[in-house]
Amino acid sequence: ILNVEQSPQSLHVQEGDSTNFTCSFPSSNFYALHWYRWETAKSPEALFVMTLNGDEKKKGRISATLNTKEGYSYLYIKGSQPEDSATYLCALGPLIQGAQKLVFGQGTRLTINP
Amino acid sequence: DTEVTQTPKHLVMGMTNKKSLKCEQHMGHRAMYWYKQKAKKPPELMFVYSYEKLSINESVPSRFSPECPNSSLLNLHLHALQPEDSALYLCASSPGIVRTQYFGPGTRLLVL
Repeated sequence: ILNVEQSPQSLHVQEGDSTNFTCSFPSSNFYALHWYRWETAKSPEALFVMTLNGDEKKKGRISATLNTKEGYSYLYIKGSQPEDSATYLCALGPLIQGAQKLVFGQGTRLTINP
Repeated sequence: DTEVTQTPKHLVMGMTNKKSLKCEQHMGHRAMYWYKQKAKKPPELMFVYSYEKLSINESVPSRFSPECPNSSLLNLHLHALQPEDSALYLCASSPGIVRTQYFGPGTRLLVL
């Protein structure tokens, strides 16, 4: 059974501050690592998919890094804004039976205090 | 059209009812997925369809019956559900089975 861990479970950050959180996963048989942002009552929004060790991706104020050898990924948010409040999910995407099966972590619930 | 739509948004059903959940995408994606999310838990994969054929069934009970009538539409037929099946059911699609998955907003199901 694949175990994807995210920490912390929840986080309160002051508007304007930068923050980061972690996704840990087993490093064997790695295929892809996905990050999603999920606001309440909306669809989970795909942020990044990373496949190579050392990958860094950036989308506006949000960026992510990947270390497949040690089995972790970091998500960074620079200059947090109230609209960044959401649950951030990472998902490991191993190939099983030729398809990519997403195995999600429990998520980090981020609240930005104005 | 760049979104995945799901209907209904909410559904309440008794244990003897038959109902269906519907998912639609018009992005030309050839893979579609059903996930189930229980409260305070991460989404869990139920089914994967690739080119309208069932590719993965994660040992889901037969009271859940998926159907992919065409490349844009994915249904989940529900029959004789149990109260513990109450959850948020998410649909997703992707351009191929090894690419980013795009999710709908989900159907919140309550089984009484």
